[in-house]
Amino acid sequence: GEDVEQSLFLSVREGDSSVINCTYTDSSSTYLYWYKQEPGAGLQLLTYIFSNMDMKQDQRLTVLLNKKDKHLSLRIADTQTGDSAIYFCAESVEGGSYIPTFGRGTSLIVHP
Amino acid sequence: GAVVSQHPSWVICKSGTSVKIECRSLDFQATTMFWYRQFPKQSLMLMATSNEGSKATYEQGVEKDKFLINHASLTLSTLTVTSAHPEDSSFYICSARSGWNEQFFGPGTRLTVL
Repeated sequence: GEDVEQSLFLSVREGDSSVINCTYTDSSSTYLYWYKQEPGAGLQLLTYIFSNMDMKQDQRLTVLLNKKDKHLSLRIADTQTGDSAIYFCAESVEGGSYIPTFGRGTSLIVHP
Repeated sequence: GAVVSQHPSWVICKSGTSVKIECRSLDFQATTMFWYRQFPKQSLMLMATSNEGSKATYEQGVEKDKFLINHASLTLSTLTVTSAHPEDSSFYICSARSGWNEQFFGPGTRLTVL
């Protein structure tokens, strides 16, 4: 299987919360990231979490890490149409020079 | 955050020609630059890592003679797709970082080979 896995699509109504899930295989992952990619654009780092943390909150974004299950999630509160994008989960390890390994990305569609 | 630009943003070329894509860090010195390839609905696949002034390190399965990477300065790296073929059509994204700091990504270049 792939090193980082995430579901391909998520559709939510504007104003609802979105939860994007990700699983990874490398137990030595040091950093876990969430990137956002808008159509035809490069990647923008949204947030990251150290592997020794369980949760990180940044305004509307909440990242939860379950290290035992190697499960990472990104919750977007009060989802807006501008949040429609592809969200990539990624992980990096110290031995890998901190170069992220990306999942396939989850397409988030926000409808009115 | 820091800004990374790519030029061109899109290019269409004939099969057999070579195409050069530039990646620039506009407001910081990039000791390391990365080149990725992204297929539709697929993840970013790292092609190569380049450190300024030294040869690029290519990932397994990436032909170094086909994808020439030059990182001549701390603000510029180029990727040249030599003798391009339709299967090389893809979205190419570069990223740059200074030391072990955060990677900043360029907006990508859409290559279409006819």
